Amino acid sequence: DAGVIQSPRHEVTEMGQEVTLRCKPISGHDYLFWYRQTMMRGLELLIYFNNNVPIDDSGMPEDRFSAKMPNASFSTLKIQPSEPRDSAVYFCATHSGKMYSPLHFGNGTRLTVT
Amino acid sequence: AQSVTQPDIHITVSEGASLELRCNYSYGATPYLFWYVQSPGQGLQLLLKYFSGDTLVQGIKGFEAEFKRSQSSFNLRKPSVHWSDAAEYFCAVGPPNQAGTALIFGKGTTLSVSS
Repeated sequence: DAGVIQSPRHEVTEMGQEVTLRCKPISGHDYLFWYRQTMMRGLELLIYFNNNVPIDDSGMPEDRFSAKMPNASFSTLKIQPSEPRDSAVYFCATHSGKMYSPLHFGNGTRLTVT
Repeated sequence: AQSVTQPDIHITVSEGASLELRCNYSYGATPYLFWYVQSPGQGLQLLLKYFSGDTLVQGIKGFEAEFKRSQSSFNLRKPSVHWSDAAEYFCAVGPPNQAGTALIFGKGTTLSVSS
C-alpha cells in the first residue's frame, strides 16, 4: 500500500495565481479530509468527503478555496486567486470508515505564496 | 465548544529521561482520543488511540497514554526518550462511535532531545 499520495510536495507561486493541490487516497478509503497547518492556527480542517460527496466544508476559509473529488481515487484543492496568507502546509488524510481505524495522512504540500 | 489544548508549545528533555506531554480536551461526551507524531517534512503518524476500556493504552515506539475522565486529560508518556523521538506531537479528539468523522487537533508540542 503506497499510502496517501499528495502532489506537489512544494509549491511556490506568486500572489494572484491559481494553485491546485492533489491527493490520491488509499484504495478503499471512503473518507477524505483536507487539513491546513500553520504555526499560528495549528491543524485546521478545511473540508471532508464521504464516498466522493462533500460532507462538511465549513472550514473552507473563503470562496477562493474550492475542493473536488471527481472519483474515489483523486481529490483536488484549488485556491484562486492565491494570497500570501494562504502559505501553509496542506495535508490530505483518508479513513476507511471502519470503527477503530486510524486516520492516514499524506506527507503534505508546502505552499508558499509570494 | 469542542477543543483540544496542549499547554506546552515546546519541551526539551535529555536523552534517557522520562517524558510527559499534556493534553486536555473539552467535549460533550467522552470522545475518542488520539496521539499523532509528525517528523519534519512528513505527515502525521498515529502513535496510539483510546476508544474505551482500560484507561492506560500502549502505542508504538514505547509510548503510552492515560485517559483521566475526571481531568479531561489524555497525557502521553515515555519512560526513556531517544534522540529519534524529537518531533512534533499532536493530541486529537473525535466523536465516539462515529468512524470516519473529522478529528479536532491540538496545536502540537515540539519535543527536542538533548544529549
